[in-house]
Amino acid sequence: NAGVTQTPKFQVLKTGQSMTLQCAQDMNHEYMSWYRQDPGMGLRLIHYSVGAGITDQGEVPNGYNVSRSTTEDFPLRLLSAAPSQTSVYFCASSYSGQGVTLHFGNGTRLTVT
Amino acid sequence: GQSLEQPSEVTAVEGAIVQINCTYQTSGFYGLSWYQQHDGGAPTFLSYNALDGLEETGRFSSFLSRSDSYGYLLLQELQMKDSASYFCAVRDTRGGGNKLTFGTGTQLKVEL
Repeated sequence: NAGVTQTPKFQVLKTGQSMTLQCAQDMNHEYMSWYRQDPGMGLRLIHYSVGAGITDQGEVPNGYNVSRSTTEDFPLRLLSAAPSQTSVYFCASSYSGQGVTLHFGNGTRLTVT
Repeated sequence: GQSLEQPSEVTAVEGAIVQINCTYQTSGFYGLSWYQQHDGGAPTFLSYNALDGLEETGRFSSFLSRSDSYGYLLLQELQMKDSASYFCAVRDTRGGGNKLTFGTGTQLKVEL
């Protein structure tokens, strides 16, 4: 099984550009989430979804949009990239009601210049 | 809201035992998880405590005291490969109980 797949692995954007970070999982997990990781700040929750068609905001949602049209996919959209969004982004999934074990993708390293 | 505190760095020698503490404040609590992350890698699940007491998984153990809002991860017979960052995370009652809020991480350095 592939688990949680994130693309791209690396991305450089200019300020103001938009892009979509892709996340797909093949474990039939209901719950999916996006975290960003910055040095010294741990993992901070951006958005999450408890099932297709349902999304909600986490701690740091500003500047990001998500949608969940299928169980497998949970893309993260940066609307107008800013240097403050330079970070490593992780997508994670789990079964609902068993959210204790998050399965993480390998991350997308984003630099905004 | 949620907040977690853990030491930023711990150093220990190979073969030793090390304990990484985590204190938390949360408005609704299901349990405490621990994740390991090697440099450049993704976090991976280590353990979960929903009830008070000690959970053992091989060389790693995790402890929870709900009344003290405190837990720890115990690593025994340290190996060089245990050098990594360790994150505690609280599972709270929001978001259907699936939301995890992570601490800022403890970097463990294992020396010869």
